[in-house]
Amino acid sequence: DTGVSQDPRHKITKRGQNVTFRCDPISEHNRLYWYRQTLGQGPEFLTYFQNEAQLEKSRLLSDRFSAERPKGSFSTLEIQRTEQGDSAMYLCASSSLGQGSNEQFFGPGTRLTVL
Amino acid sequence: DAKTTQPPSMDCAEGRAANLPCNHSTISGNEYVYWYRQIHSQGPQYIIHGLKNNETNEMASLIITEDRKSSTLILPHATLRDTAVYYCIVRVGPSNDYKLSFGAGTTVTVRA
Repeated sequence: DTGVSQDPRHKITKRGQNVTFRCDPISEHNRLYWYRQTLGQGPEFLTYFQNEAQLEKSRLLSDRFSAERPKGSFSTLEIQRTEQGDSAMYLCASSSLGQGSNEQFFGPGTRLTVL
Repeated sequence: DAKTTQPPSMDCAEGRAANLPCNHSTISGNEYVYWYRQIHSQGPQYIIHGLKNNETNEMASLIITEDRKSSTLILPHATLRDTAVYYCIVRVGPSNDYKLSFGAGTTVTVRA
């Protein structure tokens, strides 16, 4: 499967714990995006990378959130001191700037439940 | 990005065409209309996009009105697997913009 993959698919944690999610984009896609989706709503943009550079962060991304893409390939999203309001689906997408339609390909998401 | 308005839900009979409307009356000249869909428990999936001409691919057709203030996504022969939330998104692109602004979308239920 050469699509976007995310790990884990599901994560249950207790309030106050730290969690880290991983996203592996489509090979050679230079753009990588993180979105968050709560129940009944459309996905909301969190941040994006072009290669290893993080070029924009949404105001939704509080100081407890940090994302990295150290070598311009996979990315991690860490949430520190989780709160119940962080419960959501975290989606990763990738695209290739300047090639084709620049459509974003999404992974299956990581569903986070904070107890 | 221009705001879009979609009906919250619609039903469609299997085998019939599904016509999904979207209003984007404040669209700018350099903004494209994109459609994505999200099947339950999956990530969104790109369907089609267009600027001002009608577009067709293997999944759907996109009809954009001449004034570009509205568009219709057509699924020509809906199947049960087309049951999903469909998002109409207007954005600058395709090579310049970087994020998608999703609304609530239209929940389409295809019935046997």
